[in-house]
Amino acid sequence: DQQVKQNSPSLSVQEGRISILNCDYTNSMFDYFLWYKKYPAEGPTFLISISSIKDKNEDGRFTVFLNKSAKHLSLHIVPSQPGDSAVYFCAASKNSGTYKYIFGTGTRLKVLA
Amino acid sequence: EPEVTQTPSHQVTQMGQEVILRCVPISNHLYFYWYRQILGQKVEFLVSFYNNEISEKSEIFDDQFSVERPDGSNFTLKIRSTKLEDSAMYFCASSERGGGYTFGSGTRLTVV
Repeated sequence: DQQVKQNSPSLSVQEGRISILNCDYTNSMFDYFLWYKKYPAEGPTFLISISSIKDKNEDGRFTVFLNKSAKHLSLHIVPSQPGDSAVYFCAASKNSGTYKYIFGTGTRLKVLA
Repeated sequence: EPEVTQTPSHQVTQMGQEVILRCVPISNHLYFYWYRQILGQKVEFLVSFYNNEISEKSEIFDDQFSVERPDGSNFTLKIRSTKLEDSAMYFCASSERGGGYTFGSGTRLTVV
């Protein structure tokens, strides 16, 4: 039951360029979306979120775009830095009830110096 | 910055044994969660806990699993009669109400 999909298992980007990570979902009941970053041997770290009433949210170098009609969201990192190298998980939730997240399978980003 | 603390960081157990994974959520948070990540796979929801009871659980969270908040600070996951396929990273998380969770750094459970 893959309600949240990240179709690119890995991505390599040159330092200073833009990283674009993509995520698709199938459940139209999801109304809250998040991106988490995970380093090896650590727990996921919250990066940025977006509610379904918005189509864009920005926080420093990180911007999340939401296209509800396409059930697609993306995370843009500009400019990419070597310290951004990690696994990025997209997660979706209904912003009510138990606030359970459904995670995607993750995209491993490697930023090359 | 407040943290979710998990202990131990690594637990090795014999198949068939019981393990208890411990978590100290952030003190003013109201919602508590356990997730797990089998090596190379996605992070999966196990259970959520609110107001001293389970509010939702996944198909994975069968009778082998239980959670408890034995006092005002700890939140534990008990796995009875462990199986090889229970080997995974187990993450505890807490949140005030929705929004971004804070995850702990995880307990790596190895069942041998």
